[in-house]
Amino acid sequence: AQSVTQLDSQVPVFEEAPVELRCNYSSSVSVYLFWYVQYPNQGLQLLLKYLSGSTLVKGINGFEAEFNKSQTSFHLRKPSVHISDTAEYFCAVSDKAAGNKLTFGGGTRVLVKP
Amino acid sequence: KAGVTQTPRYLIKTRGQQVTLSCSPISGHRSVSWYQQTPGQGLQFLFEYFSETQRNKGNFPGRFSGRQFSNSRSEMNVSTLELGDSALYLCASRGSTNEKLFFGSGTQLSVL
Repeated sequence: AQSVTQLDSQVPVFEEAPVELRCNYSSSVSVYLFWYVQYPNQGLQLLLKYLSGSTLVKGINGFEAEFNKSQTSFHLRKPSVHISDTAEYFCAVSDKAAGNKLTFGGGTRVLVKP
Repeated sequence: KAGVTQTPRYLIKTRGQQVTLSCSPISGHRSVSWYQQTPGQGLQFLFEYFSETQRNKGNFPGRFSGRQFSNSRSEMNVSTLELGDSALYLCASRGSTNEKLFFGSGTQLSVL
């Protein structure tokens, strides 16, 4: 069984400031890790994914995440946020690289203030 | 290329009724998955279909069922609706060689 914990339910941040969203997971098998973003009244959009290789993963819209196996973490970062980054962000794991059965964290709502 | 299309966008039902939601995947995608999103339980996997066969199932009661047609379109059905079934139901599709999941905008179901 797998589980995902997103430690912050809400993160307020000023425009152009950096942001970090924390994600920890637990699993008895090797996992693949994903970050999704959900804008209001929309579905989920993949930001980035870690399947193997370099532990620093770069995604769309200037986001990046670092996989830390020893700490079972996959934190998401952006050095400078925009108002348009206001959304809910979900960390997810799967035991298959192409798996559709994702286990999601509870989500982190990011509110970017001018 | 059109994205994943879910219909209807909004739905209101009463307890005890049944409901059918529809999902048209991206053209050429043969894999379709369904997720339930609620404020309390978050995003939970319902089931996955590939070439008309259910490949995976989440921990939901038998009232939740689905199917996939030969054109890859999928439907999910919820029978004997309960208040707790109120949720956003998201469908996602994936191409056979593409690892990325594409999500639709969802169907917002309200059970009164």
